[in-house]
Amino acid sequence: AQKITQTQPGMFVQEKEAVTLDCTYDTSDPSYGLFWYKQPSSGEMIFLIYQGSYDQQNATEGRYSLNFQKARKSANLVISASQLGDSAMYFCAMRVGAGGFKTIFGAGTRLFVKA
Amino acid sequence: DGGITQSPKYLFRKEGQNVTLSCEQNLNHDAMYWYRQDPGQGLRLIYYSQIVNDFQKGDIAEGYSVSREKKESFPLTVTSAQKNPTAFYLCASSRTSLNTGELFFGEGSRLTVL
Repeated sequence: AQKITQTQPGMFVQEKEAVTLDCTYDTSDPSYGLFWYKQPSSGEMIFLIYQGSYDQQNATEGRYSLNFQKARKSANLVISASQLGDSAMYFCAMRVGAGGFKTIFGAGTRLFVKA
Repeated sequence: DGGITQSPKYLFRKEGQNVTLSCEQNLNHDAMYWYRQDPGQGLRLIYYSQIVNDFQKGDIAEGYSVSREKKESFPLTVTSAQKNPTAFYLCASSRTSLNTGELFFGEGSRLTVL
């Protein structure tokens, strides 16, 4: 079965410090894409970063990086130099297969950044 | 600016009434999706459409209906058959059907059944 697991319902981090949000996934398909989205309290979902299953290097986008460990089926999000505006829900997601119309989401992690 | 517009943002409905949530995009994307989000949970797929005049059921399609008569528009009707319709509904689109493509989301519609 295809599944995304986020085991941290809530996380606290001090402003300017780095934080890692955990994500593990399960699929038997060799071709898949992994995504992280941010959902502020306003509700819209904002795309942060993408990692392809065949990518050799970890993805980075500004302060966001994705720690991709294929053998362990993990795709953790690292946010460096946390800012107060980073306080939000974060969702890990996966699109599977060439036809990849279905994106599967984890339950999310709520991040609180403390001043 | 290109994007996805959902309306209304808030909607109240009495039990037994059908309601329709609007979703319009000007991104020229072929694929569009409807997701439902309940408190403390991730998103679950209701329906998706790859092209005009074609749509497929997602994981929780019962009690919902959609249409795709125009590329830009993908309205969702929550029917009286939906047993627990109170939720946050998100419409999305994607540039590509490949698994490399991220989803672009609207701001969501919050439906409350009284």
